Amino acid sequence: QSVLTQPPSASGTPGQRVTISCSGSSSNIGSNPVNWYQQLPGTAPKLLIYSIDQRPSGVPDRFSGSKSGTSASLAISGLQSEDEADYYCAAWDDSLNGRNVVFGGGTKLTVL
Amino acid sequence: QVQLQESGPGLVKPSETLSLTCTVSGGSTSSYYWIWIRQPPGKGLEWIGSIYYSGRTNYNPSLENRVTISLDTSKNQFSLKLSSVTAADTAVYYCARGYSIDYWGQGTLVTVSS
Repeated sequence: QSVLTQPPSASGTPGQRVTISCSGSSSNIGSNPVNWYQQLPGTAPKLLIYSIDQRPSGVPDRFSGSKSGTSASLAISGLQSEDEADYYCAAWDDSLNGRNVVFGGGTKLTVL
Repeated sequence: QVQLQESGPGLVKPSETLSLTCTVSGGSTSSYYWIWIRQPPGKGLEWIGSIYYSGRTNYNPSLENRVTISLDTSKNQFSLKLSSVTAADTAVYYCARGYSIDYWGQGTLVTVSS
């Protein structure tokens, strides 16, 4: 029961374009930047997209982010086998007790 | 290059207090948010709480009555204490930095068991 809602799984074939959605509310995605993280098995999450659509240095431009209202999306184009991982969205949430961080439940991406 | 490293016991007994420290190198804890996040085995990420460099803290409401996060800028470290632990607190615990949560430690597995 994560605050942000993601599909539990997604899949695609090499070269395809895949999108992963993240749904929230006015107190989080609706009013704050969204970040996306990639987690390979047995490793710590890695920042993939920040502030909705910005890529840290070293992240390929195959990864892109967008936001509309209280929902956000991560798109991966030219899918590669090494993209098989878990993906999480996150946002700061302006709640009654201050600024909290909320995560999506994660989406497991399988490259067929 | 900023690096974060978690340290602390890997095994804690039920009802005791879990204590972890995150040591920051390549950057200063005199700015940014500093964050603790955990991930139970096979599950998703859960934010535990944050401390701003000013000392202001925010905690996950579900853990708020058991959590304390503190910051020691002289040692470039910040710490997590979670009291009255149960098996449900078994998880990989990560420390991380910043509004974008851009740098993460490698994580440390803490098992709660007698």
